[in-house]
Amino acid sequence: KAGVTQTPRYLIKTRGQQVTLSCSPISGHRSVSWYQQTPGQGLQFLFEYFSETQRNKGNFPGRFSGRQFSNSRSEMNVSTLELGDSALYLCASSLQTGVFENSPLHFGNGTRLTVT
Amino acid sequence: GDSVTQMEGPVTLSEEAFLTINCTYTATGYPSLFWYVQYPGEGLQLLLKATKADDKGSNKGFEATYRKETTSFHLEKGSVQVSDSAVYFCALNGGKLIFGQGTELSVKP
Repeated sequence: KAGVTQTPRYLIKTRGQQVTLSCSPISGHRSVSWYQQTPGQGLQFLFEYFSETQRNKGNFPGRFSGRQFSNSRSEMNVSTLELGDSALYLCASSLQTGVFENSPLHFGNGTRLTVT
Repeated sequence: GDSVTQMEGPVTLSEEAFLTINCTYTATGYPSLFWYVQYPGEGLQLLLKATKADDKGSNKGFEATYRKETTSFHLEKGSVQVSDSAVYFCALNGGKLIFGQGTELSVKP
């Protein structure tokens, strides 16, 4: 069974630009969560989608948005990039929403975004 | 709101040493608790879990016990190996997974 796939693996953008990151969950998984990982802030929850609906949202500005398609693939978009958006963005999928005890999160290897 | 606090790293140990990584949490009720591990260049993967007080999660020689009275879930291993070098994250289920800051472990031969 293929794991969670994130593309691209690396991305370099300039301040003010926008970026779209893609995530393909494990087959059959309907929940996709996104996290931002930085050395200073650790792992911060961005949002979660389940069956194309946003179920949970973290404390990030509106420049960060996402969506989920009918095949459960998800994209996140960051507009008007700032230097502080440089981070590793991790996508994770699971069978269910909000229940991780028997349906753990499976993470992708992340997209490393550098904003210059 | 719910939160997780881990001991700061990096932690550097010699092979076969005893490992403890402290984790405490603040939450409403009694959430399920988890340890995830992140190897270099990879995403996180579940290491172990405990779903109720006094439960002990274990995997690959690692153990952690859910202590309600001290709101803790410390990770332990009796004898670490070089291959255990990674970043370890404590997490709780607050409707979404809430992670601690992560503790980097480096094991030297």
